Amino acid sequence: DVKVTQSSRYLVKRTGEKVFLECVQDMDHENMFWYRQDPGLGLRLIYFSYDVKMKEKGDIPEGYSVSREKKERFSLILESASTNQTSMYLCASSSRVPVGDTQYFGPGTRLTVL
Amino acid sequence: AQKVTQAQTEISVVEKEDVTLDCVYETRDTTYYLFWYKQPPSGELVFLIRRNSFDEQNEISGRYSWNFQKSTSSFNFTITASQVVDSAVYFCALSPKRAQKLVFGQGTRLTINP
Repeated sequence: DVKVTQSSRYLVKRTGEKVFLECVQDMDHENMFWYRQDPGLGLRLIYFSYDVKMKEKGDIPEGYSVSREKKERFSLILESASTNQTSMYLCASSSRVPVGDTQYFGPGTRLTVL
Repeated sequence: AQKVTQAQTEISVVEKEDVTLDCVYETRDTTYYLFWYKQPPSGELVFLIRRNSFDEQNEISGRYSWNFQKSTSSFNFTITASQVVDSAVYFCALSPKRAQKLVFGQGTRLTINP
């Protein structure tokens, strides 16, 4: 079974803090993704990575950065957290081949920025 | 542009009723993939099905069935004899062939009442 884990289920931070969200997968997947989920908006892609040290912007990258130093680990960084970044963050991974392969998701991190 | 629309925001039915969740998509690609995911109250997205655009056969898995119709750009999901454990938010998603990412609908919150 594919396992995607995220470092925290719940996180509370203050405005202006630097926040790290960690994601680890154990299936040797090339692709990893960060989404945020907000009521009425579904899931929106923040960033994804198709290989170590490679990254591409998704639909809403503003205010976020990412790091992928090892294949199994993908970090989302909020350089200076703001209240509008309060949300549910979901990490996913998939194999690069075939294209359009199933993405498997972690349990999510519910981040509150005060 | 790629888009997925789940027009039903919330559905509430009594246990043992059949229920259909609608999904309509837009894409200019001829090759693409469609998905359904379930998000129970615990928050993790659970993969249900992946379908490629060349396979229009309907699929049945236990009480779940999916109806894919390219002519109407729809990929609807039916739960037969619903159970309380089916209560969740359900997401339909589209993956264009040349992109690795998923485009999600807004989700449908399904409540099954005993």
